[in-house]
Amino acid sequence: EAGVTQFPSHSVIEKGQTVTLRCDPISGHDNLYWYRRVMGKEIKFLLHFVKESKQDESGMPNNRFLAERTGGTYSTLKVQPAELEDSGVYFCASSRGEGYSPLHFGNGTRLTVT
Amino acid sequence: GEDVEQSLFLSVREGDSSVINCTYTDSSSTYLYWYKQEPGAGLQLLTYIFSNMDMKQDQRLTVLLNKKDKHLSLRIADTQTGDSAIYFCAENYGGYQKVTFGTGTKLQVIP
Repeated sequence: EAGVTQFPSHSVIEKGQTVTLRCDPISGHDNLYWYRRVMGKEIKFLLHFVKESKQDESGMPNNRFLAERTGGTYSTLKVQPAELEDSGVYFCASSRGEGYSPLHFGNGTRLTVT
Repeated sequence: GEDVEQSLFLSVREGDSSVINCTYTDSSSTYLYWYKQEPGAGLQLLTYIFSNMDMKQDQRLTVLLNKKDKHLSLRIADTQTGDSAIYFCAENYGGYQKVTFGTGTKLQVIP
């Protein structure tokens, strides 16, 4: 099966611009998560979708971040306007909906805000 | 809050055993994980252990869990150069596999 795919793999933008990251989960996985690793620190949880619904968005840093999962398939994470401290690697993960199922991660999107 | 701590760097010679250690704080964790990240790649789930287990072995990998001390370790036997990567310890909390990651340990294997 195809794994979790993320696009783009790398994005360089200027402060104040907008960037949209995309994640395609493994087909059939109801759970979709966004995580990020900033400046070599811990990988931090951002939010969790169950199908198209936001189950938990307690990790979203502020209202400059908007995540969507229309139709319960792929998800986008928009940063608008981007700030310098948003630089880091944004990971997406997915898992099946029932029982215990480990998270499958994508390769991440490296975001650099200059 | 939940914290997971790891040493940042480990260097071993090829063929030796590597032991990567991790401490966590959430005693209600159900699962504890080890993920591997190779350069430019995503996070690969290596193995996981249920909190009611003390040990899990999978080929060259051995996971030891000491719940009393909240200590988790990953032993890699016969370490190879292909094992060079960053290894993340993680625990879940809050259900739905919402996990907390450590800072990662960079393993360098010297030929």
